[in-house]
Amino acid sequence: DIQMTQSPASLSASLGETISIECRASEDIYSNLAWYQQKSGKSPQLLIYAANRLQDGVPSRFSGSGSGTQYSLKISGMQPEDEGDYFCLQGSKFPYTFGAGTKLELK
Amino acid sequence: EVQLVETGGGLVQPGRSLKLSCVASGFTFNNYWMSWTRQAPGKGLEWVASITNSGGSTYYPDSVKGRFTISRDNAQNTLYLQMNSLRSEDTATYYCTRGRGRYYFDYWGQGVMVTVSS
Repeated sequence: DIQMTQSPASLSASLGETISIECRASEDIYSNLAWYQQKSGKSPQLLIYAANRLQDGVPSRFSGSGSGTQYSLKISGMQPEDEGDYFCLQGSKFPYTFGAGTKLELK
Repeated sequence: EVQLVETGGGLVQPGRSLKLSCVASGFTFNNYWMSWTRQAPGKGLEWVASITNSGGSTYYPDSVKGRFTISRDNAQNTLYLQMNSLRSEDTATYYCTRGRGRYYFDYWGQGVMVTVSS
């Protein structure tokens, strides 16, 4: 199975700060990576797919990058509504696997 | 508007069975792969099963293979998950998800809780 190592586990950011979350795959996943945001008590929402494609309706302050085994999600200018948990997903090979998650809080 | 509404959750004893349903609306159901993903209380996400748009192929992780069966009724716009031989570690919120191609999930239902306990 492909292991997805996500870091950091938690993050505290100030209003307007730019932050990054990383996911490292145990093998090449050929950019078949998505990022999700999950707010407390809610279902996950797709932010980014194919490593760097912004899902419709997602604010442009979210961006994704990476290739091979290394991927990152960047939030350019932290907003209060960005608080929540963030997960990466690899869809390159079955079984699909998720990163363990990053809890993002507003400082 | 895409909507996925799961039903069928509840409390069940270990070793028993439960069947979840997900009614889809707002899109052409038979054009999309569909999946189930779960989240144990306070934990991360785990993919559970996927099915192709025609229903001709299904996929599972080892943790549920042989116990869970995903199926669909394209005439009724409904996705199912039959769960047999349930274990305490199957306790989770189960989400119905729509596939964005075969690689990702773009819409998620509100989730349904399954608790396996004696």
